[in-house]
Amino acid sequence: DGGITQSPKYLFRKEGQNVTLSCEQNLNHDAMYWYRQDPGQGLRLIYYSQIVNDFQKGDIAEGYSVSREKKESFPLTVTSAQKNPTAFYLCASSREDRVLAKNIQYFGAGTRLSVL
Amino acid sequence: QKEVEQDPGPLSVPEGAIVSLNCTYSNSAFQYFMWYRQYSRKGPELLMYTYSSGNKEDGRFTAQVDKSSKYISLFIRDSQPSDSATYLCAMSDGTASKLTFGTGTRLQVTL
Repeated sequence: DGGITQSPKYLFRKEGQNVTLSCEQNLNHDAMYWYRQDPGQGLRLIYYSQIVNDFQKGDIAEGYSVSREKKESFPLTVTSAQKNPTAFYLCASSREDRVLAKNIQYFGAGTRLSVL
Repeated sequence: QKEVEQDPGPLSVPEGAIVSLNCTYSNSAFQYFMWYRQYSRKGPELLMYTYSSGNKEDGRFTAQVDKSSKYISLFIRDSQPSDSATYLCAMSDGTASKLTFGTGTRLQVTL
């Protein structure tokens, strides 16, 4: 089955610790995205990547880092600089070959990150 | 003021009712409009997408876009308890790989 796999489902972070959230897709999509979802605030874009070895900051990139070494994978690291990391993190992907397709994003099941 | 406004609800309706969910937006450059359904503790799943103005129907779901009023709607006919979820609108101007989301409306369909 084609889709987007996020792991782990739940993650706990200690103070001063960096943690990495995994996102893998087998849809052969070029573009991948990371969003943060907080109650009452909708989805906010953290980082996105339209092609391997390239990525751009979204609206709330501070305290986060990403890499895109493979087309299928777009891991997100929540660094110790992110002072309020507790949230639901969603990874998405989309095609880039057609204008309508690039605007349709498909989501993974999410990772819920909490601070210990 | 947010670029996309959506009433958070919750909206509670009896089974079989017609549901109307709405979003307003301020950016006149938006051309692509999507509706996602998100069950509790799950990722959003795409329900409908439309380009520019007009209506689009898919089974019990109808998406409507009125660009002159900067207003989009999602109608659900014959609502079922399985429709209970949060509904997110999303939109894009098509020039960049970025979607702007509403905050979501929580819908509860009761027996």
